[in-house]
Amino acid sequence: DTAVSQTPKYLVTQMGNDKSIKCEQNLGHDTMYWYKQDSKKFLKIMFSYNNKELIINETVPNRFSPKSPDKAHLNLHINSLELGDSAVYFCASSQDLGLVETQYFGPGTRLLVL
Amino acid sequence: GQNIDQPTEMTATEGAIVQINCTYQTSGFNGLFWYQQHAGEAPTFLSYNVLDGLEEKGRFSSFLSRSKGYSYLLLKELQMKDSASYLCAVMDSNYQLIWGAGTKLIIKP
Repeated sequence: DTAVSQTPKYLVTQMGNDKSIKCEQNLGHDTMYWYKQDSKKFLKIMFSYNNKELIINETVPNRFSPKSPDKAHLNLHINSLELGDSAVYFCASSQDLGLVETQYFGPGTRLLVL
Repeated sequence: GQNIDQPTEMTATEGAIVQINCTYQTSGFNGLFWYQQHAGEAPTFLSYNVLDGLEEKGRFSSFLSRSKGYSYLLLKELQMKDSASYLCAVMDSNYQLIWGAGTKLIIKP
């Protein structure tokens, strides 16, 4: 009965490769997010999706592209991976955007680019 | 710019009380959240404050002073399982969460 799930949990790849991380939530929430947590532990918002529309894009390089086939899924596709992309990526969801809502986080995907 | 400050690391003894402070400067304010994050795991929600004062929830309490841009998380009767990072986050006027770097709490027997 996992609320927010992500796959894979670990991802090790070479520079220049293209990879995807999948996220699914079964909470019936309307808004999903992608965060990047770097080595200094800061959580930085990358994208928010509300009813399949991109709401926030925090100056993330266009090598990163979110894809939402439906409101329960928000996948993250990364092109031409760079060393600096190594981090933990968290997916999260909340009931809505524009209201004060608690965000529920997935377990994270640990990406290591060699 | 927007800024959330909290201590990097704190150490406390099992059974004791610890207070983790958070100061913030954000464009607008729609509430302050505290999340707990165990090593290698996802953040989990602990508390939410939008009005001044103390919110108590079991062994954990959270305090807010909007005029001072200040909050603290108070943990009582510390247990070893409380060893984790505690993240302070403020929701700004755009309903975007601005996160602090977290305070790593180490509990010693």
